[in-house]
Amino acid sequence: EVQLVESGGGLVQPGGSLRLSCAASGFTFSSYWMSWVRQAPGKGLEWVANIKQDGSEKYYVDSVKGRFTISRDNAKNSLYLQMNSLRAEDTAVYYCARGRTYYYGSGLGYWGQGTLVTVSS
Amino acid sequence: QSALTQPASVSGSPGQSITISCTGTSSDVGGYNYVSWYQQHPGKAPKLMIYEVSNRPSGVPDRFSGSKSGNTASLTISGLQAEDEADYYCSSYTSSSTRGVFGGGTKLTVL
Repeated sequence: EVQLVESGGGLVQPGGSLRLSCAASGFTFSSYWMSWVRQAPGKGLEWVANIKQDGSEKYYVDSVKGRFTISRDNAKNSLYLQMNSLRAEDTAVYYCARGRTYYYGSGLGYWGQGTLVTVSS
Repeated sequence: QSALTQPASVSGSPGQSITISCTGTSSDVGGYNYVSWYQQHPGKAPKLMIYEVSNRPSGVPDRFSGSKSGNTASLTISGLQAEDEADYYCSSYTSSSTRGVFGGGTKLTVL
């Protein structure tokens, strides 16, 4: 059974940093694109970042470029999101998600339960 | 990286059919057959309902169908059931820097 479990969320002050982790199990982690998607309270979904199977390609939404870094450790079956210079508008539930299949674009077939990040003083 | 355009809300009675539209551009919906649809119930993670425009993952009822014409994709739910009441989001591959974009979401109310 595919499982994605996020951790690392919490309350952080504006300008602070946080590192989210996503522990994957039940599939060959190194074979899939992985993504972070966020949802601000009462708002819609927003794609945050994507990373290719071997980490050689990474893509970010403009609003987080230069502040967030997506990475993965295939040996540890883990996905990460390093978030720096956090702003109030980064407050959201952050979901880790896996592509439906190995090639990119075929939908996010598996999602974690999400971890809440709150940026506030 | 503008979000795809969806109606804010739609409604229908049990047994009826509804269609949710998702309008983008030639850089996303119109340029690729990589449109997906997600269902999200309150407090839950999204669930993939349609991938690559018109394909259903295993376990998704055939009451759910997808299509695309030009820059607009559509999700149709036939034989509406109470449990279909949820938020629905479209998404597409995009040539922009994110490589993925969502619609603003549509709240489906089953009357």
